[in-house]
Amino acid sequence: GAGVSQSPRYKVAKRGQDVALRCDPISGHVSLFWYQQALGQGPEFLTYFQNEAQLDKSGLPSDRFFAERPEGSVSTLKIQRTQQEDSAVYLCASSLAGLDTSYEQYFGPGTRLTVT
Amino acid sequence: GQNIDQPTEMTATEGAIVQINCTYQTSGFNGLFWYQQHAGEAPTFLSYNVLDGLEEKGRFSSFLSRSKGYSYLLLKELQMKDSASYLCAVLDSNYQLIWGAGTKLIIKP
Repeated sequence: GAGVSQSPRYKVAKRGQDVALRCDPISGHVSLFWYQQALGQGPEFLTYFQNEAQLDKSGLPSDRFFAERPEGSVSTLKIQRTQQEDSAVYLCASSLAGLDTSYEQYFGPGTRLTVT
Repeated sequence: GQNIDQPTEMTATEGAIVQINCTYQTSGFNGLFWYQQHAGEAPTFLSYNVLDGLEEKGRFSSFLSRSKGYSYLLLKELQMKDSASYLCAVLDSNYQLIWGAGTKLIIKP
């Protein structure tokens, strides 16, 4: 595909359930980012991959959050035992080159997670 | 701490010009981005400034002053489709993007 895709677009989970959010970056893009965006706020950094290596996970809010990108392309963000404060839009972005560059990030449409 | 400030909301008239300001305090600076985000959609890239001065791209221009920690996005000949949130983001010393909360721009006919 031409852009970054994410699935599902919408997810409703009951408190305590586990969820998995998928991101398909642009083919050939080295860098992949996950962000959390609350309503009316800018994106907040969660984690960063360069190819399959997770180089920065400093933004993950708790050990309930886990991300992987095993083959350096598709990535999955997993949230265990979801809580209401996890309700947000989760954005994935990819970039052509590595972190130490200023290449623009291309964003997917996001997954809106609602925890009830 | 790191901080990006921009107005919460602005209103302008179709056909007019609007300037959206952004001030920042970050640990290091490797460039400043402006993104546009329509409601319920992904942010899309508008501009990137790393040197002082004005970058013009069609109806949109972006200005940077590193010494003042200040940038603005200038939108000319406003169209109704320009109604969106405009996000300012700074690439810090770790090449991590630090985002502002966004400015919601409302265009009135």
